[in-house]
Amino acid sequence: DVKVTQSSRYLVKRTGEKVFLECVQDMDHENMFWYRQDPGLGLRLIYFSYDVKMKEKGDIPEGYSVSREKKERFSLILESASTNQTSMYLCASTGGYQPQHFGDGTRLSIL
Amino acid sequence: QKEVEQNSGPLSVPEGAIASLNCTYSDRGSQSFFWYRQYSGKSPELIMSIYSNGDKEDGRFTAQLNKASQYVSLLIRDSQPSDSATYLCAVNMGSSNTGKLIFGQGTTLQVKP
Repeated sequence: DVKVTQSSRYLVKRTGEKVFLECVQDMDHENMFWYRQDPGLGLRLIYFSYDVKMKEKGDIPEGYSVSREKKERFSLILESASTNQTSMYLCASTGGYQPQHFGDGTRLSIL
Repeated sequence: QKEVEQNSGPLSVPEGAIASLNCTYSDRGSQSFFWYRQYSGKSPELIMSIYSNGDKEDGRFTAQLNKASQYVSLLIRDSQPSDSATYLCAVNMGSSNTGKLIFGQGTTLQVKP
């Protein structure tokens, strides 16, 4: 079975902090994704990566950056956290035309 | 703008009934189609994949794909209260193999005992 592991289930940070969300997959997938999910807004793609050191912006990249130094790890960075970034963050991975597999999610609160 | 449309619901069915969830998509070049189940506060869980026209059955679940009508559906037979969740339709559009999916907004299903 595919295993996608997100570093934290719950996280509380303060406004202005730099926040790192980590995601690791164990299936040697080329493609990894970061989403946020808010009530009534569905899943929104922040960034994705199709290879090591390669990244593309999704629909809502503002205020975020990403890092993919190793194939199995994809990090989401909130450069200066703001209260409107309070959300559920979901990481996913896939090998191409196959389905995406999601981690358990990180519920991030910015105070 | 490539789109995936779902009725947000809620769709309410009695226990033991068939639940029918529907999804339309805009891109005729779409290759792969997926249904995810998401319980409140949890992450999406893959329940069905379908790649060619017709029906695909897995236990109580049947996915149906009609590429000519750009329509994919999910049938849940003998619905149980534990099936109460939001069901997300996702489509891999175009020829890119980046695995990028377009998700619908989801349909909330309520199964009443």
